[in-house]
This record gives sequence, structure tokens and C-alpha cells, in this order.
Amino acid sequence: DIQMTQSPASLSASLEEIVTITCKASQGIDDYLSWYQQKPGKSPQLLIYDATSLADGVPSRFSGSRSGTQYSLKISRPQVDDSGIYYCLQSYSTPYTFGAGTKLELK
Amino acid sequence: EVQLQESGPGLVKPSQSLSLTCSVTGYSITSNYWGWIRKFPGNKMEWMGYISYSGSTSYNPSLKSRISITRDTSKNQFFLQLNSVTTEDTATYYCARYVNILWTFDYWGQGVMVTVSS
Repeated sequence: DIQMTQSPASLSASLEEIVTITCKASQGIDDYLSWYQQKPGKSPQLLIYDATSLADGVPSRFSGSRSGTQYSLKISRPQVDDSGIYYCLQSYSTPYTFGAGTKLELK
Repeated sequence: EVQLQESGPGLVKPSQSLSLTCSVTGYSITSNYWGWIRKFPGNKMEWMGYISYSGSTSYNPSLKSRISITRDTSKNQFFLQLNSVTTEDTATYYCARYVNILWTFDYWGQGVMVTVSS
């Protein structure tokens, strides 16, 4: 199985910061990497697919990038509504695997 | 608009089978792939498996032979059955659409919490 090592596990950020969450794949996944946001009691919402493509309706302050086998989600000037848990998902090969999640708190 | 809705019992006894239904509206399950994903207490997410537009299936080996995903195209529904459940199967279960254009899950159901307890 491909392991997705996500960090940090949690972070608290101000509204003026740039927030960065990373996922490192245990092997190459050819950009089959997506990012999700989940709020309490809700289902995950797709933010980024193909590592860098913004999903429909997602604000442009969200962006994705890759360096080697490390993938990053960046939130520029986050809003209070961006609080939640963020997950990466690799869909390069089955079993598809998720990162452990990052809990983001905006202060 | 594509909508998915999970249904099924919220409480299952250990050693019994967990059975859930995902009802899909706004899109035919004879296109793309349709999966089950669960979220454990503590936030770990696990892909369980999917059924394809043609009815073929793929399962997470971690579930070994306990899992079965089937469908009823006439009702536009697909199903999860997980046998011999233990307390470790307590989780929120989601159904979701996997679309090849995006190579990921784009539409999800709201989730159903299932507790395994005697």
C-alpha cells in the first residue's frame, strides 16, 4: 500500500498567514493526489484534484503543488470559514489511501 | 445535481453483518465508479472499495473477504455489506462518486454513523 504521511497533525493560524499542509507519498503517485476539507458533521468537500487543479466553486486562495513525492496544499489569507480537517488522498493505485488529516484552527 | 444518500441501521451487533444502501439521484450509476469510504473515531479515513459502471468491483485487501459491494441499476442504488463486524468497524460510512475525469471522489453522501456494540 502507498503510505501518505501528512503534516502537521494540527495547526492554529491567523487570518493574515499563509497556511501550508503537506503530504509525502511513500512512492511516486503521478499527481493522482487530491485534497479535501471536512467540517464537523459534514462530508468531505473536494478542494484540489490532480495535485494542482482547483475543483469547481473552490476559492482561489486554495492551491496545490508538488515537489518530488511531497504534495502541498496552501491557503493564502485564510478565512474563519476555512477551519476544519484537511485530508489528502492518493488515487494512483488501490487501495486508495488517505493522509491522517490536519486539523486547522483559525484565530 | 448529483446527490448521494446513505441509509441503514445505526447499530449492529458484533459478529453480525453491516448492510448499507447508497441511493443516487441526478446521475446514473452505470457511469463512473461508486465507492464506500469510512471515517473512524479519531479521524482516520479508509477507502473500502468501489463498484464500477460495468459492475466490476475492487476492494481494500485490509477487509479481506468480509466486504461485498453490489448494485441495483433499476433503482440507481449500490450497497455495502460487511460481514463479521467487530467494535473496530464502528465508524461513519460514506458513499461517494469516483469520476475518471478528475481521478478522485467528487460527490459524497452525508454519511451514516454505524456503531458496533452488543
